Amino acid sequence: DVKVTQSSRYLVKRTGEKVFLECVQDMDHENMFWYRQDPGLGLRLIYFSYDVKMKEKGDIPEGYSVSREKKERFSLILESASTNQTSMYLCASRPGANYGYTFGSGTRLTVV
Amino acid sequence: EDKVVQSPLSLVVHEGDTVTLNCSYEVTNFRSLLWYKQEKKAPTFLFMLTSSGIEKKSGRLSSILDKKELFSILNITATQTGDSAIYLCAADTGRRALTFGSGTRLQVQP
Repeated sequence: DVKVTQSSRYLVKRTGEKVFLECVQDMDHENMFWYRQDPGLGLRLIYFSYDVKMKEKGDIPEGYSVSREKKERFSLILESASTNQTSMYLCASRPGANYGYTFGSGTRLTVV
Repeated sequence: EDKVVQSPLSLVVHEGDTVTLNCSYEVTNFRSLLWYKQEKKAPTFLFMLTSSGIEKKSGRLSSILDKKELFSILNITATQTGDSAIYLCAADTGRRALTFGSGTRLQVQP
């Protein structure tokens, strides 16, 4: 089974801190994604990557950046965390277009 | 702008009831419609639908797609408390990323 691992289940950070959320997949998938999930708003796409060192903005990229130096790892970076970034963050991967996603377990981030 | 709308947003039923969850979509270059179940953590894959009118089944769950009217339904028969979850649908245009609806939160009471 494909496994997508997110490094932390729960995180609490202070406003202004730099935050790294890590995601690793073990099945050589080309595409990786970061979403945030908020009640009533569903999953909103932050950034995605279709290859190493390639990245593309999603629908809500402001306040976030990403890094994909190796195929298996896709990192989400909050340069200066703010309280409105308190959310559940979900990472996903898939082999390519026309395939479904495999999701990680999510990181619930609280910014205080 | 691609859009996926799910209804209802929330639903409470009793064990044994049958439920129907709805998903409509407006996307360019539609390729497939996917359903996921999310309990406490990672969403898990249920169905991928690409052709109109062909029902997909897995146990008590079934789903069908109508590409003319641009919607899909997910049916759950003889519901159990273990069916309590958020059900997500998403449209795939094959070129970017899945576009998700806001989800339907289903609560099945004993």
